[in-house]
This record gives sequence, structure tokens and C-alpha cells, in this order.
Amino acid sequence: AQSVTQLGSHVSVSEGALVLLRCNYSSSVPPYLFWYVQYPNQGLQLLLKYTTGATLVKGINGFEAEFKKSETSFHLTKPSAHMSDAAEYFCAVSDRGGSYIPTFGRGTSLIVHP
Amino acid sequence: DAGVIQSPRHEVTEMGQEVTLRCKPISGHDYLFWYRQTMMRGLELLIYFNNNVPIDDSGMPEDRFSAKMPNASFSTLKIQPSEPRDSAVYFCASSLSGGGNTEAFFGQGTRLTVV
Repeated sequence: AQSVTQLGSHVSVSEGALVLLRCNYSSSVPPYLFWYVQYPNQGLQLLLKYTTGATLVKGINGFEAEFKKSETSFHLTKPSAHMSDAAEYFCAVSDRGGSYIPTFGRGTSLIVHP
Repeated sequence: DAGVIQSPRHEVTEMGQEVTLRCKPISGHDYLFWYRQTMMRGLELLIYFNNNVPIDDSGMPEDRFSAKMPNASFSTLKIQPSEPRDSAVYFCASSLSGGGNTEAFFGQGTRLTVV
């Protein structure tokens, strides 16, 4: 069975500072990996995903994530936070050889201070 | 495409009443998911369908919850009778099968309050 752990339910940064949201997964085989963002009163939308190939994946709004198999991690980063980045971020995994159904982490709330 | 459409956006009902949440997935998508989001439990998968057939409903919390997908463009989640602990945001999502590497598209959710 696969699982996702997001370290830190809340992350607070200053505007312009580096954003780092952590995600570790547990899976029998390297899964497909996703980051979703949820703005207030909205549904989740895809930020980026890793399926195969280059392990550094670039997404929308300047976010990127790197798949590290040895660390079973898929941390999300952005060099400079903007006020509009304040949202809930979810890491998700999907099993390559199994049920396909995505498993979501508990989410990390990103707070951006002026 | 307009995306996944859920209705209503907000629902307030009294305990014991029947509640029906509706979802129209993206045309052509063959997977449909119902999720529940609460502060305590985060995002929980309740049930999912593939080609209109319920595949796994192990996440449905109780027999009071039921879901149907009569055709490829419509699904309902029903709670009968509703209880205050059912208060949550319910999301519908759809996706196109592709071996697991395709994203899920979410609706804007229905915020349910049971008083």
C-alpha cells in the first residue's frame, strides 16, 4: 500500500523568501507523484507532476519539485514567495502498477507574510 | 470544457434530512471520485467509479451514504439521514485513465452544514 507524508501542517514564510514544502512517500515501486494547490473556497488544481524522465519538474506559478528516489521524497520549492501563493498544498501519489487511484497527503497550509 | 461542475455550492440542512449532492464530470473522463474534506481528517476518498461502475466504496463512512452514477455525465452522493458530523466540504473529481499518470480534475466542492 502506498502512503504520503507531508511534514508540517503549516509553513510560514515572508514574501520573497524561499518556499519549501516537504513530501515523502511510501510505495513498493516508484509511483507517479503530484502536487496540487487549493486556494480558499476552491477545489484542488494541479501544480505539477512527475511521471518519468527528468527528476526536476517545473510547474505553474514558478513552483518546481524534485523526485529523489533514494530519499523517497518529492519536495516542492519556489525561490521567492508571493502573497498570492498563500494556499493549501497537497502531495499525492499514484501507483504505477496498481489501482491508479491517487492517495493524498494531509496537506500543508502555506502562509505568506508581507 | 467547463470543468467538473458540482451543485449546490453550499447546503445547509437540518439533522435527519436527506441531502443530495450532484456532480457533472468532464466529458470523456472515465473515472469519477467523491472526496470529503474536513479539518480533522483531511481529504478522504469516499468512493470512485470507472465507466459508471462503482469500484471501491470502502471509504463511505456509513450506510447513510450512497452514491450513484446513472450515466457518464452525472453522479450523485446522497446522505440519508444527515447528521451534524457529516458537515464538511464534498468534492467530486474526474480523470481520464492513462495508467495512473493523469491528473484528477476537481470541482469547486459543496460545503455541507448539518445543524
